[in-house]
Amino acid sequence: EIVLTQSPDTLSLSPGERGTLSCRASQSVSSSYIAWYQQKPGRAPRLLIYAASNRATGVPDRFSGSGSGTDFTLIISRLEPEDFAVFYCQYYGSSALIFGGGTKVEIK
Amino acid sequence: EVQLVQSGGGLVQPGRSLRLSCTTSGFIFGDYDMTWVRQAPGKGLAWVGFIRSKTYGATTEYAASVKGRFTISRDDSKSIAYLQMNSLKTEDTAVYYCTRGRGILDYWGQGTLVTVSS
Repeated sequence: EIVLTQSPDTLSLSPGERGTLSCRASQSVSSSYIAWYQQKPGRAPRLLIYAASNRATGVPDRFSGSGSGTDFTLIISRLEPEDFAVFYCQYYGSSALIFGGGTKVEIK
Repeated sequence: EVQLVQSGGGLVQPGRSLRLSCTTSGFIFGDYDMTWVRQAPGKGLAWVGFIRSKTYGATTEYAASVKGRFTISRDDSKSIAYLQMNSLKTEDTAVYYCTRGRGILDYWGQGTLVTVSS
């Protein structure tokens, strides 16, 4: 079974800074099946990125995704106050979905 | 506007059953797979299972932790997805989300808290 490991657990940054979040798969996966979600406290998650690098509808272009094989990255180019949240990567196979453990992006 | 409105959560004793509903609007429900995801208090997201659209036989898949106890179904005439939870355990305590899709989860319900406790 594929395991997704996200790092770091917590990222402390100031507004305006760049955030780089990592998601590593335990085995090579197709980038077509990697997604990223943002979750704010007390709220449902929100789809940010699908197929590793495609922004979902309405997602600002300061969010970008990349990667292939076992290593995937979500970059927030310039953090806005509303961006501080927990971010999850996800792999979707034909018969299961797997989430990473999450990275919390907090205000420094 | 796409909407997923959940109902049916609450407090339940271990070993008992509970059914969650996900009432949808704003899209052709029958065209979409539907997925349930849960989140234990203070923890990350965990996949529960999904149901494919009738085009793909309305077949289901489940996480190992719930297989044999939980059942996902759908009523395309009412645009509702269901999660039937039987033999509940304390470790099933979580906020449960219904979502549209099977891989790309583009719309989510508001979540409903299920607490399993005696």
